[in-house]
Amino acid sequence: EPEVTQTPSHQVTQMGQEVILRCVPISNHLYFYWYRQILGQKVEFLVSFYNNEISEKSEIFDDQFSVERPDGSNFTLKIRSTKLEDSAMYFCASRTGGAETQYFGPGTRLLVL
Amino acid sequence: SQKIEQNSEALNIQEGKTATLTCNYTNYSPAYLQWYRQDPGRGPVFLLLIRENEKEKRKERLKVTFDTTLKQSLFHITASQPADSATYLCALGDVGSSNTGKLIFGQGTTLQVKP
Repeated sequence: EPEVTQTPSHQVTQMGQEVILRCVPISNHLYFYWYRQILGQKVEFLVSFYNNEISEKSEIFDDQFSVERPDGSNFTLKIRSTKLEDSAMYFCASRTGGAETQYFGPGTRLLVL
Repeated sequence: SQKIEQNSEALNIQEGKTATLTCNYTNYSPAYLQWYRQDPGRGPVFLLLIRENEKEKRKERLKVTFDTTLKQSLFHITASQPADSATYLCALGDVGSSNTGKLIFGQGTTLQVKP
């Protein structure tokens, strides 16, 4: 069964460094999402992406964040200058055009020191 | 203010019993509601979706109801097994005018099924 994959599974970085989190959505899906989950807290929406542009973003998704679909298969989340409070699990999700169900990847655990 | 609330306490039940999890929301009008399972350190796994015009959905041992008047969904696991032990997340879909499909999650309910 097709699934969303994410790399790396864990990333440790120093405050102020740039990180890129990578996702490969399910191949026939058209809508892509990033969510994050701070330890012990709920899953929070960051951004949605469709037709090569951001369709919606949350207040969390400020100028330090960007997303890209560079090659038709990968979907990336970049954090330009990481802060301690960016430490969280980051989940990528995708869905088809005809259904609402989102399928989540296993996540990337980001730790900012 | 807008809120989604799930059972605040962890739910402990005996194997074979029915687990009932609650999701209440205020000041949202979702077009649909989804239930996910999340194991520690893992991503959410989709279980069931119910739309605003549906009252009940079933899948194997799972049943979900949706009452848009009460603004509540109930999620039932019948004949529960220790393998059902996990955190269960309620998520509201298409709550705004943008219809981008973003999901708004509750904080989850941890279910522990004892043998």
